[in-house]
Amino acid sequence: DTEVTQTPKHLVMGMTNKKSLKCEQHMGHRAMYWYKQKAKKPPELMFVYSYEKLSINESVPSRFSPECPNSSLLNLHLHALQPEDSALYLCASSQDPFLEQYFGPGTRLTVT
Amino acid sequence: EDQVTQSPEALRLQEGESSSLNCSYTVSGLRGLFWYRQDPGKGPEFLFTLYSAGEEKEKERLKATLTKKESFLHITAPKPEDSATYLCAVQGYSGGGADGLTFGKGTHLIIQP
Repeated sequence: DTEVTQTPKHLVMGMTNKKSLKCEQHMGHRAMYWYKQKAKKPPELMFVYSYEKLSINESVPSRFSPECPNSSLLNLHLHALQPEDSALYLCASSQDPFLEQYFGPGTRLTVT
Repeated sequence: EDQVTQSPEALRLQEGESSSLNCSYTVSGLRGLFWYRQDPGKGPEFLFTLYSAGEEKEKERLKATLTKKESFLHITAPKPEDSATYLCAVQGYSGGGADGLTFGKGTHLIIQP
């Protein structure tokens, strides 16, 4: 089983809202990732958690705040987003930080 | 900085017409090269990992190969269901920390019946 689940599938939020994206995997993977993908563009890395510790933050604006409550869960807290933040947000996990990553279906975020 | 360039950007083939997709890369040291397939509005689906030059992997109609500077994804006798965007990604050495993937822009493949 290589399933990564993400909720919600779709999210529409205003620029003053606070919302959270959730990601879950039960494969025993020890690395989890957040990527952002704009239309017709490749995924771009936002955050990496390795063994539940944030190891990479690719200069992402502070309006995005990641959280890893345990080895199976990953959250992305959103606050005061801009319309240009509208995108597909992808979660991925890997057994080891340097092995293949398995992606979830994504959350389609629209900021109005 | 790791860089990945994929060509062509788009490719339209007839069903059964074999072809190859190219992925050129520049990394300080290659940990792994990955191929993914992505359907519209969905997350990338893992296909292959290649670690060293000369390595080859096969799965159904797909075969991935790796040299020191590029990788090829060969598609033999494709079917319409092979239509998708194929993404190449690399992971390089970065001083010991965990890394995400650097993706190319992808090749949008259309297989016509």
